[in-house]
Amino acid sequence: EAGVAQSPRYKIIEKRQSVAFWCNPISGHATLYWYQQILGQGPKLLIQFQNNGVVDDSQLPKDRFSAERLKGVDSTLKIQPAKLEDSAVYLCASSLWQNGGYTFGSGTRLTVV
Amino acid sequence: SQQGEEDPQALSIQEGENATMNCSYKTSINNLQWYRQNSGRGLVHLILIRSNEREKHSGRLRVTLDTSKKSSSLLITASRAADTASYFCATISLGGTSYGKLTFGQGTILTVHP
Repeated sequence: EAGVAQSPRYKIIEKRQSVAFWCNPISGHATLYWYQQILGQGPKLLIQFQNNGVVDDSQLPKDRFSAERLKGVDSTLKIQPAKLEDSAVYLCASSLWQNGGYTFGSGTRLTVV
Repeated sequence: SQQGEEDPQALSIQEGENATMNCSYKTSINNLQWYRQNSGRGLVHLILIRSNEREKHSGRLRVTLDTSKKSSSLLITASRAADTASYFCATISLGGTSYGKLTFGQGTILTVHP
């Protein structure tokens, strides 16, 4: 089966600019997650969707981050305006059921200069 | 917040040796999972062990879980240079602020020398 697709693979932007990341999960996976992984740390959950509804966004910095999952399939994560500390790898994952194993995409490496 | 904490932070061994990584967590769990991450890549799911299981095997991987000590270990037998990667434990919690979420530890960096 096809994996979780993410784009772009890399992005370099200046602080205060905006950026968007795209994710296409595995077909049939109802649950989709966005994680932020800062260099040298484990991934941190930003937001979790079940179909097109938000299940958990408690760790999403809502003053600058937003995410949507239209039609319960693809998802986009946006940062506006970006800060230097947003430099990280943004990982999208999906799962067939909430308590199962997750399938991760290759991630988008964001550098804010 | 980090639920799982891995030990050691870094491990360097020779090809053919066994590698053991440990993970401790804080709250009761539904299950514990181990993931592998090659440099600059996404995470790959290795194995899932449920809270009512004590040991699980998958190829050269052996995972144990001790819920009384809130700890798990990952053993990679007969390691290969291709096993060089970061390994993360992650838990689905039954309580606390991490309830129902897959929460990761900081990871162990494993280097296997040919």
